[in-house]
This record gives sequence, C-alpha cells and structure tokens, in this order.
Amino acid sequence: AQSVAQPEDQVNVAEGNPLTVKCTYSVSGNPYLFWYVQYPNRGLQFLLKYITGDNLVKGSYGFEAEFNKSQTSFHLKKPSALVSDSALYFCAVRDIDPNFNKFYFGSGTKLNVKP
Amino acid sequence: DAGVTQSPTHLIKTRGQQVTLRCSPKSGHDTVSWYQQALGQGPQFIFQYYEEEERQRGNFPDRFSGHQFPNYSSELNVNALLLGDSALYLCASSLLAGGPWTEQFFGPGTRLTVL
Repeated sequence: AQSVAQPEDQVNVAEGNPLTVKCTYSVSGNPYLFWYVQYPNRGLQFLLKYITGDNLVKGSYGFEAEFNKSQTSFHLKKPSALVSDSALYFCAVRDIDPNFNKFYFGSGTKLNVKP
Repeated sequence: DAGVTQSPTHLIKTRGQQVTLRCSPKSGHDTVSWYQQALGQGPQFIFQYYEEEERQRGNFPDRFSGHQFPNYSSELNVNALLLGDSALYLCASSLLAGGPWTEQFFGPGTRLTVL
C-alpha cells in the first residue's frame, strides 16, 4: 500500500534561513509524489511533484524538493524562508492504480518562519 | 477560470441530521474526489467519481454517499451526522486521462460543525 510519513509536526526557522520539511514514502511501483501547502481556512495548493527523471524538482514560490530513492525520501526545501511561507505543508503519494486518482496524504508539518 | 468551487463555506448541523455539500470542478476536469480533513490531520480520501459513478471508496461508512452530474459537478451527502463528522470537507478535481502524474486541484473546502 502507498503511504507517506512526515516525522515533524512543526518546523521553526528564521526568515532568510534555509528550510527543510521532511517526507518519507512507502510505495509499490513508481512513486508519484506531491507537495501541497495549506493556509488557514483554505484548501490545498499544489507546490510541486516528482514523476521521474531529475531528483531535484523545482516548484512554485521558490520551493524545491529532493527525491532520494535509496532513503525513500522526498524532502521539501527552500534556500531562503519568508514569513509568508508560514503554513501547513502536506506530502502526498498517488495510488498505484492508474485508473484512480487517489492521493494518500501525510499528517502535515506546520512551518513557522519568524522575522 | 474559477478553479474548483465548493458550497457552502460553513455549515452547522446537529447530531442525526443530514447534510449535502456541493462541488464544481475546474474547467476541463472530469474526475471529482472528496476528502475529509479532521482538525490537525491530513486529508483522508472518502470517494471518487468519474462518469457519474463512484469508482473508488475509502474507509468511510455508507452514511457517506455522493453523486456526480453530467456537467461533472458533484455532491457529498452525509446522513445521521455524528459529532466525529465535524471536519473540513475538501473537493478535488482532475483529468483522469492526464495520467498518474496529474496533480489534483483542491477547492477551499466546506467547514462542517456537528453539535
């Protein structure tokens, strides 16, 4: 079965510092991995995805993610954090069955960026 | 393009009542999925509709039912509401033919409170 895990409930960083939000995955077959961000009382916004190819994926708002097959990880990164990046971040993996666009989400990581 | 829209924004119901939530997918999308996001948790898959049929279902009781209309819009119905049904209900749309690497687009959600 497909699953993702986000080991940190919360990550605190200072504005201007690099940030990393961790995600590990467990999949059967090819991993289709996604990152979403959720602001308070809002739905989820797509940030980036890994399909195949380059292990470093570029996404929206300056975010990127590093896919590591040997460590089964897909960590979200940003070189320089902004206060406006403070939000809830979710890692997700797609269902193995190509006929069903079902996602499995992690429990989320709250990112706090302090001025 | 209005993206995914959901109505209503908020709902307050009492135990035992029934509720209907509505979703209009992003233009050009044919698949609608519903997720339940309890407070402090990641979204959990309820079910998916494609071609007006329920194609896949998560671990939710039969009190949760849905419908998809010819214009691809969808409804989520919950009967005999329980306190534990209080959550943010998210609708997501996608194009099934887009392949397994296609991201889902989420609506802003409906906040359901059961008293």
